[in-house]
Amino acid sequence: DADVTQTPRNRITKTGKRIMLECSQTKGHDRMYWYRQDPGLGLRLIYYSFDVKDINKGEISDGYSVSRQAQAKFSLSLESAIPNQTALYFCATSDFRSPGHETQYFGPGTRLLVL
Amino acid sequence: AQSVAQPEDQVNVAEGNPLTVKCTYSVSGNPYLFWYVQYPNRGLQFLLKYITGDNLVKGSYGFEAEFNKSQTSFHLKKPSALVSDSALYFCAVRDYSRNNFNKFYFGSGTKLNVKP
Repeated sequence: DADVTQTPRNRITKTGKRIMLECSQTKGHDRMYWYRQDPGLGLRLIYYSFDVKDINKGEISDGYSVSRQAQAKFSLSLESAIPNQTALYFCATSDFRSPGHETQYFGPGTRLLVL
Repeated sequence: AQSVAQPEDQVNVAEGNPLTVKCTYSVSGNPYLFWYVQYPNRGLQFLLKYITGDNLVKGSYGFEAEFNKSQTSFHLKKPSALVSDSALYFCAVRDYSRNNFNKFYFGSGTKLNVKP
């Protein structure tokens, strides 16, 4: 989905390294999310943000941090990567103007491998 | 506890036959239900949603889903499958209750294989 972009698309790193995944959107949505996808587990919410000054933990926030630098940008950081953080990471956005009805729009994903 | 269950890891169907991908949910409040599709190396794409109204919801690419409150189900259906429908399908629920208003829950996904 070209409206939601993620960089990098693929990344290999070593245990203990700090890594940042970036997400940008041009949809004008103010809600943004980070998920990780693991085989057989579906998507699990890491963090979400409803505006620039609002950050909330999801199901599995341990080992992760986020930064909402602007309405259009939401970054996910792994301060000290570990192998079980190897996964496919998705950023998503949604529109506050229809709360409760909102559809989420996903980026293409970042495939992360921690050695 | 709030959850979404997709009981089948994989569904196999022949092209031209009807398909069903199952989803059941458990929420404390009124559910807002969604189906997403993921093609290889792509992000999730929205297919359809149920908020209120008719229990049968129509979405993209000829898909539809039926909300059944008594069975707490939201099965995805298509009358005639195409090979191009082969993908990973996710059911999701938004719990529209005070304590869980901001939470989305995704199922584990069902891989649909449509054979020519």
